[in-house]
Amino acid sequence: DADVTQTPRNRITKTGKRIMLECSQTKGHDRMYWYRQDPGLGLRLIYYSFDVKDINKGEISDGYSVSRQAQAKFSLSLESAIPNQTALYFCATRPTVGVSQETQYFGPGTRLLVL
Amino acid sequence: GESVGLHLPTLSVQEGDNSIINCAYSNSASDYFIWYKQESGKGPQFIIDIRSNMDKRQGQRVTVLLNKTVKHLSLQIAATQPGDSAVYFCAGDGNQGGKLIFGQGTELSVKP
Repeated sequence: DADVTQTPRNRITKTGKRIMLECSQTKGHDRMYWYRQDPGLGLRLIYYSFDVKDINKGEISDGYSVSRQAQAKFSLSLESAIPNQTALYFCATRPTVGVSQETQYFGPGTRLLVL
Repeated sequence: GESVGLHLPTLSVQEGDNSIINCAYSNSASDYFIWYKQESGKGPQFIIDIRSNMDKRQGQRVTVLLNKTVKHLSLQIAATQPGDSAVYFCAGDGNQGGKLIFGQGTELSVKP
């Protein structure tokens, strides 16, 4: 969905490095989410935000941090990358009101490899 | 804890046949469910949703059935096409700040 974009699409980094994944949306949604996807484990929630400056931990927040400085942007940082953070990362947005407001709309994903 | 799981990790069907993908959930308080389709290299794409006050909902070639008694939902795809090949996820509303609980996914392969 071109309304939700993620950069970079692919990233290779080394253990111990700090990296940032960016998510931008033009859907005007208040709620934004970061997930990681591992083979056989489906999608797991890292952090989510209901509005600017609002930050909430998901089920696997350790080793990650996020920033929501603007409604359209939600960035995910790995403070000190480790190999088991190698995964596919997805950003998603969700409207607060409207039909099917629980539906989340996903970006194309960022494939991260930590060596 | 809450879980949403799928019965089978893979499903192979012949082109033109109907496909049925099943999903079980554990949270009886969940009142909203979604099916997503994820093609290789892409993010999950919304297919169809259903609320707990409904048993069935139909879209274009897809139908979702919800059985709250046994906490089970299914996705039926009519006249399956090669373009339907993908991983299908079910997700349920965990009733906690709008979080969705996702199943592991079922990979659907369509044989020509």
